[in-house]
Amino acid sequence: AQKVTQAQTEISVVEKEDVTLDCVYETRDTTYYLFWYKQPPSGELVFLIRRNSFDEQNEISGRYSWNFQKSTSSFNFTITASQVVDSAVYFCALSDRSGNTPLVFGKGTRLSVIA
Amino acid sequence: NAGVTQTPKFQVLKTGQSMTLQCAQDMNHEYMSWYRQDPGMGLRLIHYSVGAGITDQGEVPNGYNVSRSTTEDFPLRLLSAAPSQTSVYFCASSYADGVGELFFGEGSRLTVL
Repeated sequence: AQKVTQAQTEISVVEKEDVTLDCVYETRDTTYYLFWYKQPPSGELVFLIRRNSFDEQNEISGRYSWNFQKSTSSFNFTITASQVVDSAVYFCALSDRSGNTPLVFGKGTRLSVIA
Repeated sequence: NAGVTQTPKFQVLKTGQSMTLQCAQDMNHEYMSWYRQDPGMGLRLIHYSVGAGITDQGEVPNGYNVSRSTTEDFPLRLLSAAPSQTSVYFCASSYADGVGELFFGEGSRLTVL
């Protein structure tokens, strides 16, 4: 069965600090997809990234970067030089291809960036 | 482009009442789903549909009913509301289940007294 663990419930950093949000997943499939979503205080869910299991290259998008390591079943998310606008709940999610299973989410990490 | 539209955004019910949360998408997505979000619990899947006429249960289906008569609409029915169903509900759609990016509605906050 699929499972996503986000061990960090809440993180608080001072503006301009770097912060890494951890995501560990479990799946029996060799083909699967990993996602990150952001939920700002306004409540909507914003898609950040999708990564398939065959692409282990790290991804960088501005101040955001993602580190995918199949050896440790992790898909960690780093924000460089954090800003107050980064304050949100961040969700990691997994979908595998056995039986067309839908997306399973972790419980989320609440990030607070303090000015 | 409206995307995924949920109504109502807020609703207060009394225990035992029934209601329907509406969800519509205009992106011709085959896959639609309903999640509930509770503090500390993340997003939990209630029901999902891989196409018109096909629905299936998720992690927490009890007390909820769905149907998918058209590609565009995926309503969620609460048959007899209970305080445990107080939550924020999100409808989502994608072009392919498990593969494509999920597009979410803005959420519906339901309070059951």
